[in-house]
Amino acid sequence: SSELTQDPAVSVALGQTVRITCQGDSLRTYYASWYQQKPGQAPVLVTYNYNNRPPGIPDRFSGSSSGSMAALTITGAQAEDEADYYCNSRDSSADHLGNVIFGGGTKLTVL
Amino acid sequence: EVQLLESGGDWVQPGGSLRLSCAASGFSISNYAMSWVRQAPGKGLEWVSGLSGSAGTTYYADSVKGRFTISRDISKNTLYLQMSSLRAEDTAVYYCAKVRTPMVEVDSNFDYWGQGTLVIVSS
Repeated sequence: SSELTQDPAVSVALGQTVRITCQGDSLRTYYASWYQQKPGQAPVLVTYNYNNRPPGIPDRFSGSSSGSMAALTITGAQAEDEADYYCNSRDSSADHLGNVIFGGGTKLTVL
Repeated sequence: EVQLLESGGDWVQPGGSLRLSCAASGFSISNYAMSWVRQAPGKGLEWVSGLSGSAGTTYYADSVKGRFTISRDISKNTLYLQMSSLRAEDTAVYYCAKVRTPMVEVDSNFDYWGQGTLVIVSS
């Protein structure tokens, strides 16, 4: 099956911009979705299908994609954005079509 | 309001079986593909299994294929995960998740998640 790779940890100063990346061959075929997970809570969808946000997600969260890489950008990071972030997509490998894969997650620290 | 409520998590010995349930409200599971996603303690998210919107097709991660079975009862608006031959590495919080778009066979955009149910496999 395919894999999605994320940096384990990223930090950003309060109010600055941070970019969290996700790399994998499946992203050449399928869009990435991004999820925010805070300790003890279920994941929350923050962007999907390139750069769409569900209702209630602040517009400081944006998604992008190019080739085999997807990115989640937080413009003007807030203290409450400190969390784990996961990308996912459909699996593009021939024998796993229909499956879903997740990246390993990125722990975002807001300084 | 969409809600997903998992239950059935428990402590079980290696080799044992367990059935998880996910009771849905605020929408009909007959119209949406659904998945189970798990998270081992201190680890990342792992997709486990999916059921297509038509319920005609099931999908499994290699790590659980042949041991887990996903199914649904439309009359109860409930999703299930039957787990057998459980191993220590199956220890995790198990979430059910709903895809965002109705009537698609497969999707990775999970817009609603339950609160999770904990499965511990240990002797």
